Amino acid sequence: GQSLEQPSEVTAVEGAIVQINCTYQTSGFYGLSWYQQHDGGAPTFLSYNALDGLEETGRFSSFLSRSDSYGYLLLQELQMKDSASYFCAVGGYQKVTFGTGTKLQVIP
Amino acid sequence: DADVTQTPRNRITKTGKRIMLECSQTKGHDRMYWYRQDPGLGLRLIYYSFDVKDINKGEISDGYSVSRQAQAKFSLSLESAIPNQTALYFCATNQGGTDTQYFGPGTRLTVL
Repeated sequence: GQSLEQPSEVTAVEGAIVQINCTYQTSGFYGLSWYQQHDGGAPTFLSYNALDGLEETGRFSSFLSRSDSYGYLLLQELQMKDSASYFCAVGGYQKVTFGTGTKLQVIP
Repeated sequence: DADVTQTPRNRITKTGKRIMLECSQTKGHDRMYWYRQDPGLGLRLIYYSFDVKDINKGEISDGYSVSRQAQAKFSLSLESAIPNQTALYFCATNQGGTDTQYFGPGTRLTVL
């Protein structure tokens, strides 16, 4: 089976940098994805790592270490609109398994 | 127009009633999924389908059934709704060979 762990809540100040960690255990691994979900909304895809290293997309970056079964999402220059829940997800054979989500609160 | 649509968006029903949630997509993806979201539990997979003739159970399929009527349509049924099926339900699609999932807007279901 597959299981993922991520912090339940994180608070950060507007303009700062925040890192959301994700560790996983899986019987098959294709890649690690990150999704953002605002309250009342649907999850939307942010980034994907299939190989070790850092992927950058604007203010968001995602990192993967396959040997450590670990990844993180880095959000820079935080804005109030970044307040949302962030889910890591592991892709394995046939399906994707989601973590329980990290609720990020950005404060002024 | 949205690529993945769900109907209804909100539904309140009573224990024992049969409920169908519908999902349609215009993305042309072959794979479709139904998830349930509860506070603190993330997204849990109910059923998934890789094509019209392929249906697979997810981690929490008990009490649910599905129908893949066409490549673009995937319905979730609760044969006899119970209160602990009160949740937010999402349909998602993706293209085979990729992990990226595209979600519908969700259906908020309340079972009294």
